[in-house]
Amino acid sequence: EVQLVETGGGLIQPGGSLRLSCAASGFTVSGTYMSWFRQAPGKGLEWVSAIYSVGSTFYADSVTGRFTISRDASKNTLYLQMHSLRADDTAVYYCARFGDGYNFNWYIDLWGRGTLVTVSS
Amino acid sequence: EIVMTQSPATLSVSPGERVTLSCRASQNINSNLAWYQQKPGQAPRLLIYGASIRATGIPARFSGSGSGTEFTLTISILQSEDFAVYYCQQYNNWITFGGGTKVEIK
Repeated sequence: EVQLVETGGGLIQPGGSLRLSCAASGFTVSGTYMSWFRQAPGKGLEWVSAIYSVGSTFYADSVTGRFTISRDASKNTLYLQMHSLRADDTAVYYCARFGDGYNFNWYIDLWGRGTLVTVSS
Repeated sequence: EIVMTQSPATLSVSPGERVTLSCRASQNINSNLAWYQQKPGQAPRLLIYGASIRATGIPARFSGSGSGTEFTLTISILQSEDFAVYYCQQYNNWITFGGGTKVEIK
């Protein structure tokens, strides 16, 4: 079955760090274009970070310098390392696969169920 | 940044009705638009991409139209399982989402 399963969310104090994981099955993470999105409570969807099949990485301005996207081919897993967390980083974080990244069509054809990150003291 | 505006914010409808949701882009995005459905506590699900192409497994009652700056998602006969929030997303210039339209039971 083709799916994505996120783990690693939780309650963290402001200024803290957290690493999210996204285990993929049914396809190869390193062979495609992947991304992280987030959704603050009661709000809409926001792009966070992306990684291309060749390894290039991209970040939203709001997380640049604080978040790092990476992947482990041997574990077929995508990661999001988050540092210097702030209250406005509180959200459900979704791992996602671009449907046609090779042709620069950045729609998402596969989403994980998400993991909640709560930044609060 | 391309701003996506969805209207209305909330739509109250009865099962069996025809539903039309609108999405407007702040500049020309050609046909680089996707629609997603999101139910409470669930991840979004891709419905439409390329403005009018139904994703795999999406029922024919969902259809998309438009190009340039004006787009529409139509649900021909609303089913009980279609009550959800619907988002549009442009991918002509990276990625931005609309604020969503909630389709609720009347």
